[in-house]
Amino acid sequence: SQTIHQWPATLVQPVGSPLSLECTVEGTSNPNLYWYRQAAGRGLQLLFYSVGIGQISSEVPQNLSASRPQDRQFILSSKKLLLSDSGFYLCAWSVAGARDEQFFGPGTRLTVL
Amino acid sequence: AQSVTQPDIHITVSEGASLELRCNYSYGATPYLFWYVQSPGQGLQLLLKYFSGDTLVQGIKGFEAEFKRSQSSFNLRKPSVHWSDAAEYFCAVGSNSGYALNFGKGTSLLVTP
Repeated sequence: SQTIHQWPATLVQPVGSPLSLECTVEGTSNPNLYWYRQAAGRGLQLLFYSVGIGQISSEVPQNLSASRPQDRQFILSSKKLLLSDSGFYLCAWSVAGARDEQFFGPGTRLTVL
Repeated sequence: AQSVTQPDIHITVSEGASLELRCNYSYGATPYLFWYVQSPGQGLQLLLKYFSGDTLVQGIKGFEAEFKRSQSSFNLRKPSVHWSDAAEYFCAVGSNSGYALNFGKGTSLLVTP
């Protein structure tokens, strides 16, 4: 069966520090991968998605970037965190794009101070 | 463009009572519709999905949803709510093209004794 992992589970970082969040999927090949941010009362905002190694699409211009160095690994990064980057970050995968359900990881709670 | 509206931000029901969570979507073609549930600090779990066929779909944990094209709705129902159903519920719409699911802002369910 497929599983999706995210780490760390929680992170507290000072403003201006770098960020690296990792997501890995097991039990499937060539998944579509997604990064979402969830802020209180605002639902889920799609940040990036990837349909293959090295292929990244950005949905919202911002302080963050994403990379996919391996088929089942998706990384969310920032060079300098802003206070507004605080939130709950969710990684997800799917087989076939927006006509298919997405399966979510447990999330990372990021607090920028 | 697709959009999803969940009109109720918060809903409170008594344990054992019936539940209906509303979801309205805007999309030109036949949508792909999903309901997810999120417990505090956790990722999202898929409850059910509608792609085509029978407009009444059954999901996990005793939930069901009915697709009504004439009303552009996909409301989630449960005949008898349990205390463990207290969570955030998200409706989402996908399409036959693209990769992003559009999520509503969620409905927070509180279950009282």
